[in-house]
Amino acid sequence: AQSVTQLDSHVSVSEGTPVLLRCNYSSSYSPSLFWYVQHPNKGLQLLLKYTSAATLVKGINGFEAEFKKSETSFHLTKPSAHMSDAAEYFCVVSFGGSQGNLIFGKGTKLSVKP
Amino acid sequence: GAGVSQSPRYKVAKRGQDVALRCDPISGHVSLFWYQQALGQGPEFLTYFQNEAQLDKSGLPSDRFFAERPEGSVSTLKIQRTQQEDSAVYLCASSSRQGYNSPLHFGNGTRLTVT
Repeated sequence: AQSVTQLDSHVSVSEGTPVLLRCNYSSSYSPSLFWYVQHPNKGLQLLLKYTSAATLVKGINGFEAEFKKSETSFHLTKPSAHMSDAAEYFCVVSFGGSQGNLIFGKGTKLSVKP
Repeated sequence: GAGVSQSPRYKVAKRGQDVALRCDPISGHVSLFWYQQALGQGPEFLTYFQNEAQLDKSGLPSDRFFAERPEGSVSTLKIQRTQQEDSAVYLCASSSRQGYNSPLHFGNGTRLTVT
């Protein structure tokens, strides 16, 4: 069965330090992978997506993610956190087929301390 | 430009009442999705439309949930005889293209509280 696991429910960093949000997936297919961000009382916004092109994907706001097939991982990183990065982050996997076949992780809440 | 618009933003219903949640997708977007997001969880798929056709409703939790998109633009999610477990944020998303790797544009959601 396909699944996606976000390994940390909450990550706290200091402003200016690196961010690492971890995501692992389980699939017998080659998936498409996304990271979305959700600010309080706002809709989900796409940060970046991987669709079998380059394994290192650059997104908006300085975020990037690396697809590692051998580790079935798609971790999200940013070199230097900003206060405005505080939000909930969702790793999302699509296994093809039905349009609705998107599986969201449970989310990681990122806190940024001044 | 205008994004996906959902109304109302907040809805409080007494158990047993019927509710209707509206979604205005981005103009011209072919695909429309509804998701349910319980507190502290990620969104879970409810149903998908391609234009006016409901191609997938496998995520609807019961026959009390009904969605329509009669003219291929605005969509309504209706919940009959609401129960407390229906309390959640209901998210609508649209996409300009077919294909499972098309990015989705989400609305801000409707927070439903059933008392």
